[in-house]
Amino acid sequence: GAVVSQHPSRVICKSGTSVKIECRSLDFQATTMFWYRQFPKKSLMLMATSNEGSKATYEQGVEKDKFLINHASLTLSTLTVTSAHPEDSSFYICSARLRLAGVHQETQYFGPGTRLLVL
Amino acid sequence: GEDVEQSLFLSVREGDSSVINCTYTDSSSTYLYWYKQEPGAGLQLLTYIFSNMDMKQDQRLTVLLNKKDKHLSLRIADTQTGDSAIYFCAEIVSYNTDKLIFGTGTRLQVFP
Repeated sequence: GAVVSQHPSRVICKSGTSVKIECRSLDFQATTMFWYRQFPKKSLMLMATSNEGSKATYEQGVEKDKFLINHASLTLSTLTVTSAHPEDSSFYICSARLRLAGVHQETQYFGPGTRLLVL
Repeated sequence: GEDVEQSLFLSVREGDSSVINCTYTDSSSTYLYWYKQEPGAGLQLLTYIFSNMDMKQDQRLTVLLNKKDKHLSLRIADTQTGDSAIYFCAEIVSYNTDKLIFGTGTRLQVFP
């Protein structure tokens, strides 16, 4: 099946530093990847849609200068949390949309998530 | 607006069937999904149903869709302890946006 990886799986950083999270589709090319944020015991909130070779589309209320998204290739999207603060602590999950003949093209496959703790 | 609701918690005995319910408000949903999330992990796609279908069965999983009532359910037959997890329903409201709207999640606990 389609595999999506994230790195790192867990990161602890000091307030004011920047953190980069990578999302990779391992066995397929993904023209579109999505970044979600999940608070404890809560549902997933879509942050932005990342399209290869173009600017990301951010959801309302998400600061694009705070959460920088780069989708440089068909298998890699990165989310950089700039000048992180304790309120940015959360579980960040990416997904990649698989488009193959014979496969339900709306399917998103999710990474294992990255837990960010900002001290 | 888009709103997807689920009951927060379900507890079942091992071997029994589990039924997880989901209601949504947007009648233009095209695809509806069920995802499973184990503690500290990402989401695993379990199954999906197209909005013009009423039912879909996949091994132990049965999805029922009542489009008139905007109600979606996931039945897990012969529930096992390994099924303990959080289950999210999600919908896509427009073919072109690919934007998934997630439900609030149902925590399923299976006891021996």
